[in-house]
Formats: sequence, C-alpha cells, structure tokens
Amino acid sequence: DVKVTQSSRYLVKRTGEKVFLECVQDMDHENMFWYRQDPGLGLRLIYFSYDVKMKEKGDIPEGYSVSREKKERFSLILESASTNQTSMYLCASLGNGGPSYEQYFGPGTRLTVT
Amino acid sequence: GQSLEQPSEVTAVEGAIVQINCTYQTSGFYGLSWYQQHDGGAPTFLSYNALDGLEETGRFSSFLSRSDSYGYLLLQELQMKDSASYFCAVRDSGGATNKLIFGTGTLLAVQP
Repeated sequence: DVKVTQSSRYLVKRTGEKVFLECVQDMDHENMFWYRQDPGLGLRLIYFSYDVKMKEKGDIPEGYSVSREKKERFSLILESASTNQTSMYLCASLGNGGPSYEQYFGPGTRLTVT
Repeated sequence: GQSLEQPSEVTAVEGAIVQINCTYQTSGFYGLSWYQQHDGGAPTFLSYNALDGLEETGRFSSFLSRSDSYGYLLLQELQMKDSASYFCAVRDSGGATNKLIFGTGTLLAVQP
C-alpha cells in the first residue's frame, strides 16, 4: 500500500514564526503536491514538484516556499506565519504512467497560527 | 478563469440512489476524477474518467460528457458510511507538470 505521512497532525505556531511541514511518501512517486483545505473553498494547490529539486507554483503560492531535496520528501515552508495561514494542509503524491491518475493523500496537518 | 461547480450539500436516505453533478470550465482537459473525504480524514480516490461514458466500480459509477463539460458521481444502495464530502477534480494538463483542479466539494448526508 502507498503510504504518505506528514510530520504532525496538529500544530500551533505564533505569528511571524518560520514553519516547516514535512511530507514523506514510500512509493517512489515522481510527483508530490501541497494543498490547503478551507471550508467552502475545497482543496487549493500551493506548490507541486514533478522531480527532485523541481518545483512549480500552484494557485496560491504567496507566503509559502517548498523544498524537494530527495525524491521521497517534500517540505512546505511558511517563511513568516500569519493568521490567515491557519488551515488544514494536505500533501499528496502521484506516480507517472498510471492510467487512473490517482493521487494519494497524507492524513493532513491542521495548523493554527495565533 | 478555471472553475468546477458542484452542489454544496446533498441529503439522501439509506438504500437510495444519489447523483452528484460536476460542471467544469478549465483551460485544458485530460480527465475528471472523484475523491471521497470522511470528516477528519484524507481524500481518497474513487474514479477517473478520461473518455465519455460511464465507469462502474461496485456501488459507485462515474459519468463524463466532454462536449457538455459535465460529469457526475452516482452512488447506489446508499449506506451510512457513504456520508462524506465528495470532490470532483479536473486534470487540466498533460506531461510532467500535470496537476488537478478541485471543486469545492459536496457534503453527502445519508439518513436512516
């Protein structure tokens, strides 16, 4: 079974702190994604990566950066956390070549910025 | 702009059939996916339609009409455990930079 893990289920940080959210997948997938999920807004793509050291901006990249130094790990960085970044953050991975384009999601990190 | 529209809430009773519609407007189209998310859980993949027509997987079926930019998820013989949010998502590009655009989700409440 594909497993996508995220470093924390719940996180509380203060405004202005630098925050790191880690995601690890064990299926040797090329593609990894970071989403945030807010009520009524669905899942919005922040950044994605289709290879090691490669990254692409999603729909809402402002205030975030990412790092992909190893294939299995994709980190989301909040450079200076703000209260409007309080949200559920979901990581996903996807292998190339599959017919169904199935993304596998981690359990999510609920981040609260106070 | 790019958008996917689906109803925000649907209510049905156990044993019934329910259809969740999704209309999309995107710059490209390579397929329509459906995901299920239980409260507090991660989204899980249900189906993917790249071509027009109906795809059936057990009690769940998914339909796509590319000419109408429309699809739906059909859930039959509803069970209480089907209560969840359902998201449609469009794969809007191909190649190495493929990604999904998600709808805002439909909350399905199954009543006894």
